[in-house]
Amino acid sequence: DTEVTQTPKHLVMGMTNKKSLKCEQHMGHRAMYWYKQKAKKPPELMFVYSYEKLSINESVPSRFSPECPNSSLLNLHLHALQPEDSALYLCASSRDRENTANTIYFGEGSWLTVV
Amino acid sequence: AQTVTQSQPEMSVQEAETVTLSCTYDTSESDYYLFWYKQPPSRQMILVIRQEAYKQQNATENRFSVNFQKAAKSFSLKISDSQLGDAAMYFCAYRSSTEKLTFGTGTRLTIIP
Repeated sequence: DTEVTQTPKHLVMGMTNKKSLKCEQHMGHRAMYWYKQKAKKPPELMFVYSYEKLSINESVPSRFSPECPNSSLLNLHLHALQPEDSALYLCASSRDRENTANTIYFGEGSWLTVV
Repeated sequence: AQTVTQSQPEMSVQEAETVTLSCTYDTSESDYYLFWYKQPPSRQMILVIRQEAYKQQNATENRFSVNFQKAAKSFSLKISDSQLGDAAMYFCAYRSSTEKLTFGTGTRLTIIP
């Protein structure tokens, strides 16, 4: 059972739409992550939040906008996406970012299709 | 940047048999962590097992164990008594204080009834 919850599980959006992916964890973790995973590929890091502040942006296009309203919630706002942005978006969390020993736990992902 | 290599894109094993998935990595660091994650068709990445580089003893979790060879930079996963529920994509991953979690390309494991 996952303790990182993502909604929606599936999302279809047009290129002019604005939508958001949501992620929630109640493990008291202070680091949260967004990954993008294309079919048959490993996950690729997009953003890292540490103590509700953006600490890593892996040169992600501005049409993806992350937000961390509090320590339990992480959003990914989507606007003007392209069909090649269709992928599985995984949220993850860990106790904190600095301690490498902390395991990163993943949610079930949100499958995004851009039409 | 560190690299993680999984040379077996696909593997299959008979149910109840043992299978070993290979992983090698490249690093100049001495302190790091290695992980095996499982991703079944449900798409959730599930941690299977982790190994601290400073520990010589190989990690084990029930039917899952690793063979960690630090000098050879090798980290293989052994699954004993394979079960149908073990069918999934398995990713080897590396993490250190200076590097983000880096995944290998994955090995798709099929269990043959």
